[in-house]
Amino acid sequence: DGGITQSPKYLFRKEGQNVTLSCEQNLNHDAMYWYRQDPGQGLRLIYYSQIVNDFQKGDIAEGYSVSREKKESFPLTVTSAQKNPTAFYLCASSIDRARGWDTEAFFGQGTRLTVV
Amino acid sequence: QQQVKQSPQSLIVQKGGISIINCAYENTAFDYFPWYQQFPGKGPALLIAIRPDVSEKKEGRFTISFNKSAKQFSLHIMDSQPGDSATYFCAASQHGSGNTGKLIFGQGTTLQVKP
Repeated sequence: DGGITQSPKYLFRKEGQNVTLSCEQNLNHDAMYWYRQDPGQGLRLIYYSQIVNDFQKGDIAEGYSVSREKKESFPLTVTSAQKNPTAFYLCASSIDRARGWDTEAFFGQGTRLTVV
Repeated sequence: QQQVKQSPQSLIVQKGGISIINCAYENTAFDYFPWYQQFPGKGPALLIAIRPDVSEKKEGRFTISFNKSAKQFSLHIMDSQPGDSATYFCAASQHGSGNTGKLIFGQGTTLQVKP
C-alpha cells in the first residue's frame, strides 16, 4: 500500500539532545513537508522540499534542520537550539503543487515528541 | 496576508444537527481551499476541497460554501453523527509558476457530536 510512514510514533528527548524524526513515502511525490501541531495553533510549516537536494524554510524553521537526499525520504532533526520542542510533528507529501494542480497533501500518522 | 482564520475553536452539536465551521482569508491569490479532518493521534486527511470558480461543493453530508467577495468559506456537516467528532482544519494555497503551493492552515475546530 502506498503512503507516508513516520517513525517513531513517540519520542522522548532530554534537554540538550538532538533527535531525528523519520519520514518515508512511497507515493512517488515530488514535494514533502514538515508541520508542527500545537493545541489551538493549527499546523505550522517548519520546512518543505519540492525536489531532491533542495528545501526551503517554512514559518518556524529556527531550531530545526532537514535533508532531502532521496525522493522518498525527508528526515527532520530537532536540535538543542529549539527551546520548546514538545509537540506533535506531521510529515506530508504531494505532487509538486506549484504546477497548478489541485493535489491532495497526504499526511503521516505523526510523531509525538516530549522533552523530559 | 498569508493567514487563514478559523472559527469557532470548539463546537458541540447534537446528533442529527448541522455543524458549521467558518474560515476567512486575506490573500486573494489563493486558489485552492481544502478541509482536513483529524482524529486524535492521527494525521489529517483530506475531506473536501473547492476552487474559487464555484460557490458550493457537496460530497455526501459535507458541503463547502465559498464567498469570493467576502474572502470566506465554510464547511457544513449535515445530519452530524458521533463518528464525525474530530478536529477540522481549513486551509488555502496558491498554485502556479513562482508559487510553492504550500498549504496555510487555520487554527482548527474541535467538533463533538453528542449522541
